[in-house]
Amino acid sequence: QVQLVQSGAEVKKPGSSVRVSCKASGGTFSTYTITWVRQAPGQGLEWMGRIIPIFDTTNYAPKFQGRITFTADDSTRTAYLDLSRLRSDDTAVYYCARESYLSPDAFDIWGQGTMVTVSS
Amino acid sequence: DVVMTQTPLSLSVTPGQPASISCKSSQSLVHYEGRTSLYWYLQKPGQSPQLLIYEVSKRFSGVPDRFSGSGSGTDFTLKISRVEAEDVGVYYCMQSIQLPYSFGQGTKLEMK
Repeated sequence: QVQLVQSGAEVKKPGSSVRVSCKASGGTFSTYTITWVRQAPGQGLEWMGRIIPIFDTTNYAPKFQGRITFTADDSTRTAYLDLSRLRSDDTAVYYCARESYLSPDAFDIWGQGTMVTVSS
Repeated sequence: DVVMTQTPLSLSVTPGQPASISCKSSQSLVHYEGRTSLYWYLQKPGQSPQLLIYEVSKRFSGVPDRFSGSGSGTDFTLKISRVEAEDVGVYYCMQSIQLPYSFGQGTKLEMK
């Protein structure tokens, strides 16, 4: 049973950076796409981008381009989201999700979410 | 970017009654290879989203058969034949025909 376990909550100052990790337990790691989605308080889901570890390929939503980096470490089965130049509107729960073997882009395994609060 | 529009944004349903959510995309979600990239997720209160339906109408493992998805092209529907208390939450449709992928605004389902 594959699980994704994310790092704990973070409180950051505006202008700083944050790293969120997403560790996979069980199953294979590098052959599945990891997608990152965020949810601002009381708001809907927002697709941020994805990484395909086996190809080290990334796609970022344009609104985050230049501030966001996805990486993956196959040896530790961990994916990372780095977000820089944080603003107050980056306050959100950040989720990682893994694509299903049943269908590309169907995310059947989700992390528990990481709350990132950006406040001075 | 592909815009996903859900209606209604909220739904109050008596247990045992049906419910229906519409999702419209700003462009066709049909791939050249034939599959349609439309997915439905449910986010129960305080939980991470969970996959319900993939490729328009295929129920994910463990999803009760009271959930069904239909539609084609740009118009899609999620139906619950008989709503149960455990179905409460926010339902999202999502497209993956074009980057950046996008979700609908969400439809909040409550019990009457």
